[in-house]
Amino acid sequence: GENVEQHPSTLSVQEGDSAVIKCTYSDSASNYFPWYKQELGKRPQLIIDIRSNVGEKKDQRIAVTLNKTAKHFSLHITETQPEDSAVYFCAARRAGTALIFGKGTTLSVSS
Amino acid sequence: EPEVTQTPSHQVTQMGQEVILRCVPISNHLYFYWYRQILGQKVEFLVSFYNNEISEKSEIFDDQFSVERPDGSNFTLKIRSTKLEDSAMYFCASSGQGRSYEQYFGPGTRLTVT
Repeated sequence: GENVEQHPSTLSVQEGDSAVIKCTYSDSASNYFPWYKQELGKRPQLIIDIRSNVGEKKDQRIAVTLNKTAKHFSLHITETQPEDSAVYFCAARRAGTALIFGKGTTLSVSS
Repeated sequence: EPEVTQTPSHQVTQMGQEVILRCVPISNHLYFYWYRQILGQKVEFLVSFYNNEISEKSEIFDDQFSVERPDGSNFTLKIRSTKLEDSAMYFCASSGQGRSYEQYFGPGTRLTVT
């Protein structure tokens, strides 16, 4: 089955810096890669996703890149703000299957 | 914007008791999921449900667990004879038509087994 590895487990940046979180997946048939943001005690919220027919997707300060050959994908947050502080989870799935999550990255943005 | 809802928000139960966690998926969604998250750990898949039957389940989802869609709006997870290690946050999620659609999570039910 699918296995998703996520790094780093914690990331501390200064406000205004960029943050990058990386994930690798094992199942070459996976074709959908979402990123979720989870604030303390809250539900995971979908912030951006990418499908395997696309190499990059951007939404304001957030971007995701996908390298199918290497089976890895990354989340990029630019101009970080304190409200970006949260746990970020990557996930992967094949069509018709459940999401398999990485272990999460705790992002701390200090002002 | 429609959201997935879950009740109760917090459930405390004694070991060996049965609990039912309830979810109301987004109304036009067709795929339903249960996930759990032990405190401080990653989100783990339990089961998916489509067309009134289980479409996929993980090794966590053993005979202790069952799911049901008793009517057109509710989706339930039953845990029989709860164990201490069942203590976790349980999230329901739903997605729309098509297998590649985004999954939206409910607010979760925190289950505490004492």
